[in-house]
Amino acid sequence: GDSVTQTEGQVALSEEDFLTIHCNYSASGYPALFWYVQYPGEGPQFLFRASRDKEKGSSRGFEATYDKGTTSFHLRKASVQESDSAVYYCALGNMGYKLTFGTGTSLLVDP
Amino acid sequence: NAGVIQTPRHKVTGKGQEATLWCEPISGHSAVFWYRQTIVQGLEFLTYFRNQAPIDDSGMPKERFSAQMPNQSHSTLKIQSTQPQDSAVYLCASSLDWGAYEQYFGPGTRLTVL
Repeated sequence: GDSVTQTEGQVALSEEDFLTIHCNYSASGYPALFWYVQYPGEGPQFLFRASRDKEKGSSRGFEATYDKGTTSFHLRKASVQESDSAVYYCALGNMGYKLTFGTGTSLLVDP
Repeated sequence: NAGVIQTPRHKVTGKGQEATLWCEPISGHSAVFWYRQTIVQGLEFLTYFRNQAPIDDSGMPKERFSAQMPNQSHSTLKIQSTQPQDSAVYLCASSLDWGAYEQYFGPGTRLTVL
């Protein structure tokens, strides 16, 4: 079945540091790839998506590029802020509707 | 746009009791989803409705769990004879249509089974 792997369970950074959260996927067909962000007490919020190889998705300074060759969709941000502290989920969408989520990466940014 | 509304936000039940969770999707959205979130299992898909019709319930435990969407403005998730392992945050999401993967999530209902 479909699966998403996020290797970092927790990431601790200081403000203005560069962020990378790794995401690799395994799926049949040609899934769409997503990043969602979740703040305490809230549901996940859509950040952005990419639907085809080499497409870059971006929002709020975050970006990721769909790489079919390495089956990856790594999240990056050049300069993080304290307000970016949250849990980030990589997800894939297949069958037209079903989202399969990774285990999430908790980002803590010190001011 | 009020977003997806879920009630109650917190529910505590005793083992063996029934729990009903409510979801009001965003107006105009034809797809409604239920997910379960736990520390151990993470975010798990439970079931999906499109235009109120059940399409996929492959993530639902076969016994004790049921979901309905009697009209376009609300969906319910019912858990009969609740067990401690049912304790989780239950999330409802909606999207504009099939294939419109941008799913908007509600804040969730935290269910605690004692």
